[in-house]
Amino acid sequence: GNSVTQMEGPVTLSEEAFLTINCTYTATGYPSLFWYVQYPGEGLQLLLKATKADDKGSNKGFEATYRKETTSFHLEKGSVQVSDSAVYFCALPNYGQNFVFGPGTRLSVLP
Amino acid sequence: KAGVTQTPRYLIKTRGQQVTLSCSPISGHRSVSWYQQTPGQGLQFLFEYFSETQRNKGNFPGRFSGRQFSNSRSEMNVSTLELGDSALYLCASSSRTGTSGSGSYEQYFGPGTRLTVT
Repeated sequence: GNSVTQMEGPVTLSEEAFLTINCTYTATGYPSLFWYVQYPGEGLQLLLKATKADDKGSNKGFEATYRKETTSFHLEKGSVQVSDSAVYFCALPNYGQNFVFGPGTRLSVLP
Repeated sequence: KAGVTQTPRYLIKTRGQQVTLSCSPISGHRSVSWYQQTPGQGLQFLFEYFSETQRNKGNFPGRFSGRQFSNSRSEMNVSTLELGDSALYLCASSSRTGTSGSGSYEQYFGPGTRLTVT
């Protein structure tokens, strides 16, 4: 089945620093790709998605580009804020198993 | 539109007991999925229900079961609780209707039920 590999962190950055969280996937065909975010004590929220190769998903200053040639979907943000502190999950559909998620990357942003 | 709701938010149970968790999906969504989240195993898929039928199932023992009602609300049940069942149980709903993979249908998650087994 489909699978995803994601840097686990934790990642600690100062406010206004640049963020990259790496995600690579193995999949049959070209499924949609997703980033979810989980704030402390909450469920997962959809952050962004891309549905085909070279698509760029974006939301709240975060971006990720669907790279078919490198099977990657890295999450980036130019200037992180303290409020971005959370756990980030890369995910893709897995036939018969709904979604498969990466292990999550915990981000801490210091003021 | 109201989001996915889960009740209760917190539960403490004793080993050997059983527990029932409830999930109400977003209005109009007929697909409801359940996931278990633990620090060691991460997010693992339990099962999916669509139109009152279990459509997909993950690799969990038979102690984990679920059902869906005609209004799309879903419950999951864990019998004979073990310490290792302590986890955050997340419910997600989707507008997905087909069975040929999840496609581009994102899942919307509830806040979860934190189950502690002592």
